[in-house]
Amino acid sequence: GEDVEQSLFLSVREGDSSVINCTYTDSSSTYLYWYKQEPGAGLQLLTYIFSNMDMKQDQRLTVLLNKKDKHLSLRIADTQTGDSAIYFCAADNYGQNFVFGPGTRLSVLP
Amino acid sequence: EAQVTQNPRYLITVTGKKLTVTCSQNMNHEYMSWYRQDPGLGLRQIYYSMNVEVTDKGDVPEGYKVSRKEKRNFPLILESPSPNQTSLYFCASSSLTGAGTDTQYFGPGTRLTVL
Repeated sequence: GEDVEQSLFLSVREGDSSVINCTYTDSSSTYLYWYKQEPGAGLQLLTYIFSNMDMKQDQRLTVLLNKKDKHLSLRIADTQTGDSAIYFCAADNYGQNFVFGPGTRLSVLP
Repeated sequence: EAQVTQNPRYLITVTGKKLTVTCSQNMNHEYMSWYRQDPGLGLRQIYYSMNVEVTDKGDVPEGYKVSRKEKRNFPLILESPSPNQTSLYFCASSSLTGAGTDTQYFGPGTRLTVL
């Protein structure tokens, strides 16, 4: 079945860019998602990308998809302390197989 | 092994026939939650529970019920399922810290089809 991997921790300085990486194994994945979990809150969908796209940009967020390498990344520009959270990557195959990664804990240092 | 289990993994039912999806965690977590996942919509929270006998509505609670009689179990009940509840359902659990929930552990998902 699908396997989604992420590094577990990332620390950056406020104002720097953060890049969170994710790899997945199922080449038939159709949607790839990034979720954010802040302390005390449920999961919040940040953005998603359809598998026929290479890049998607939404304000400070840039998602890059390398379908050949099955690699997804989330770049947060000008990272702020409010961006400190756990970020989950998830892969979906038309809803048939939806798998979350383990989450990357992003710490933003002042 | 720390895990969240859900049963059944797959279920096809008909409109109006009551069903229960079970969720169990073995990590002694206080917090448990149910989500539904629909293609392109992302995960939406149905109900959550901060502890035994404490449950609260999430973003899309209509048509669902939950109970938390024991810490480890958090069943999702559909009293009268309808086709718009066809979805992929995830249960999750986490411990509570001073700042709220810690990282959530997800179950494998339950694919429900309501005809």
